[in-house]
Amino acid sequence: QKEVEQNSGPLSVPEGAIASLNCTYSDRVSQSFFWYRQYSGKSPELIMSIYSNGDKEDGRFTAQLNKASQYVSLLIRDSQPSDSATYLCAVEGRSSYKLIFGSGTRLLVRP
Amino acid sequence: GAGVSQSPSNKVTEKGKDVELRCDPISGHTALYWYRQSLGQGLEFLIYFQGNSAPDKSGLPSDRFSAERTGGSVSTLTIQRTQQEDSAVYLCASSSPSGGGELFFGEGSRLTVL
Repeated sequence: QKEVEQNSGPLSVPEGAIASLNCTYSDRVSQSFFWYRQYSGKSPELIMSIYSNGDKEDGRFTAQLNKASQYVSLLIRDSQPSDSATYLCAVEGRSSYKLIFGSGTRLLVRP
Repeated sequence: GAGVSQSPSNKVTEKGKDVELRCDPISGHTALYWYRQSLGQGLEFLIYFQGNSAPDKSGLPSDRFSAERTGGSVSTLTIQRTQQEDSAVYLCASSSPSGGGELFFGEGSRLTVL
């Protein structure tokens, strides 16, 4: 079992819709969770972090964390074509400095 | 510049040659990371530096890979006797002492081994 698992996609949604991206992780002791966005040919950039169970909202983005289910998700409201990218879920490993990345979900927002 | 700087941006080499990849982190960032990303894959952790020391080298794929960091700043990743499976984008990232999981990535060094 991979430490951080994501559906590779592509996830295709129409412009204006809600995009829902999911991630599961294997290590129950993980405490910190991150979503990075990576445009094609570019390097990843942090868009959201979440540390506590529940929802965290930032503009059109909402991160959701359920530690009991070892599940973290990212919702993008009012999706725009500019949101088309690969979204990488990252989980802090047992060594607190080490981020373990999933393989990413590719999102396509159709105009 | 204000961001993480990596060089070269592209490197094509022949199998068996040695390569050096350089990373200049954001000023003041004490933590430095090297990751590797193969085509269509996620990021594979290679090594982490805190200051000049590397407490975690667990991700280095083989003894052909080594890295150092001097002056708490610039880092060099060296791959000896390159193999075709080493072809990937090598990403460097840095973070501030209070940065937690917020990594700032460079644009990467794309290595192609023929």
